Amino acid sequence: EVQLVESGGALVNPGGSLRLSCAASESIFSHAWMTWVRQAPGKGLEWVGRIKSKGGGGAIDYAAPVKGRFTISRDDAQDTLYLQMNSLKTEDTAIYYCTWDHFYSGAYYVSDYWGQGTLVTVSS
Amino acid sequence: DIQMTQSPSSLSASLGDRVTITCRASQSISNHLNWYQQKPGKAPDLLIFGASSLQGGVPSRFSGSGSGTDFTLTISSLQPEDFASYYCQQTYSTPPYTFGQGTKLEI
Repeated sequence: EVQLVESGGALVNPGGSLRLSCAASESIFSHAWMTWVRQAPGKGLEWVGRIKSKGGGGAIDYAAPVKGRFTISRDDAQDTLYLQMNSLKTEDTAIYYCTWDHFYSGAYYVSDYWGQGTLVTVSS
Repeated sequence: DIQMTQSPSSLSASLGDRVTITCRASQSISNHLNWYQQKPGKAPDLLIFGASSLQGGVPSRFSGSGSGTDFTLTISSLQPEDFASYYCQQTYSTPPYTFGQGTKLEI
């Protein structure tokens, strides 16, 4: 079964930068479409962005609140997904989850494997 | 972007109750609607995809329905392990794949 382990969460000042990592247990990571989802303390889930596999075209999409500040990338040789976060704001404080996504029944896109999350706190 | 409006935001119920959570999309999403369950301190788990198809291992007391803009998640007889938060998510066409605001189901 797929295991995802996020790391890199920390306390950072507003305006600062941070890079999160998500290490996958499966060598077929290169075929995976991956998503970042965040959850502010006591709040709901927020979709952050998605990266397709290189074989799937490699396209990257972002949610409006993070576009231009966050960058999703992947290192298929290291089976690792990244989230580079720049110009951090207090409202970026959240647990950040990575997910491994699939198409079910050939048509329905789901996030069916989730990491345990890593906490990012943006505060002075 | 497609907005998802979920209601209620919280719900109190008792063991054995039948409960329904609703989710409305700001435009038609066909049946590209997922439901997730999240317990405190844990990552979400996929419950239902394609609006009505149960993920493997999910008890049959859970069911989903709807198409277009209006969707429901029903739990037919609440069990202790069902008290959690529930989120809908649309995955229609291209991202962003937005979530509803969530429903906290409490005893």
